[in-house]
This record gives sequence, C-alpha cells and structure tokens, in this order.
Amino acid sequence: KNEVEQSPQNLTAQEGEFITINCSYSVGISALHWLQQHPGGGIVSLFMLSSGKKKHGRLIATINIQEKHSSLHITASHPRDSAVYICAVLGNQFYFGTGTSLTVIP
Amino acid sequence: DGGITQSPKYLFRKEGQNVTLSCEQNLNHDAMYWYRQDPGQGLRLIYYSQIVNDFQKGDIAEGYSVSREKKESFPLTVTSAQKNPTAFYLCASSSWTPHSAYGYTFGSGTRLTVV
Repeated sequence: KNEVEQSPQNLTAQEGEFITINCSYSVGISALHWLQQHPGGGIVSLFMLSSGKKKHGRLIATINIQEKHSSLHITASHPRDSAVYICAVLGNQFYFGTGTSLTVIP
Repeated sequence: DGGITQSPKYLFRKEGQNVTLSCEQNLNHDAMYWYRQDPGQGLRLIYYSQIVNDFQKGDIAEGYSVSREKKESFPLTVTSAQKNPTAFYLCASSSWTPHSAYGYTFGSGTRLTVV
C-alpha cells in the first residue's frame, strides 16, 4: 500500500481551465510538499504546507490535516503548466506519490 | 545563485561496472538525499545524510554506496551488485530540524543507462 495516493494519474485540460490535483496520505506528517517535474526531469518545490492554504501566482495549495488530504489548484491553466506534479509528505521520512501528469492544450 | 548540481545529466555504463554520480550543493544545507525514480513509481529513498561523515540507508540501499566527506558533496556509487541500475537518479538537500525539512531542493537528475 502506498502511503501517498494522488489522483488523477493523468489529466488533459484546455488552456484556461481550472485544474485540481488531489493527494491523500495515510501517515502522520509534519509537512506536505507539492513538487513539479518537467520533462527534462528536474524537480522544483512549489509549496510546503503544514496547515491551511498557500497561494503563489496561479497556484493554490490547501491541506486538511484531519482528513489527511491536500489539493493543488491551478487557475487559468497554460501550456507551460504541463508537467508532472508530485505530492510528498514528511513523516519519519519523505513519502512520495507517483505523480499526476498534466497536459494543457493550447 | 544557490542550488544543487548533478552531473552528468546522462550516463551510459556497461553491465558489471561501478559508476559514481555527483551531487554538489551550495545552499549550506545540512541534509542531503538520493532518490531513484522509475516509470510509474514514486521517488524511492536510497540513502540520506543529515551531517558530514554520517549517512543512513533508505528503503532501497542495496547495491548502492555513498560518502559525505564534505557538507557540499554527497556522491552516489551504483555498484555492480545493483540488479536493475537503469533509472533516473535525483539528489536533494534541505535544512534539517527534527520534524521538518525546510528549503527542500532537488537537483536536475542523472539518467543512468546500463547496457
């Protein structure tokens, strides 16, 4: 059983659409990260959350500690948002979801 | 700018040879990590180090070795004992406190292909 489950696995959207990626986890955590991986492979940390909500530009991340659930929202999606988005939680170590592959079509 | 440098980006080796992947950071981070990524799977922890001259095995350490002689450097050796070495390898670093990891930063990765 994976400690971190993401949905959907794959997502295709039209440019301008509102996108939501979900993450559920089963371990006790002190923080949750949303990561972005572009086709070249490098990973960028988008957010680190321990409670509530964070916003950066068109990206919004929320976390509900009681429900062990987090969502990443992208408003007004753009083709440059196309990437794999990975949820990672920090318990006694980092646990990673398998990622959501997002393609935004012009 | 501070960051993590992994080299090379692509690496080809013959089966049975050891190979060392480089990871250097100038972020003054205490903790460094090596992960392996395979298609359809989440990142899996190979080794991590919280301080110089100390490191711990992760979930899939068999067939790998590391050293941490300097704070900035955490090289990973893929030995001939690793049965399926072809994969994408990512190095990361962070500031470390007991229950958190701030400034978690990834390198750009090394894609190793063993033929």
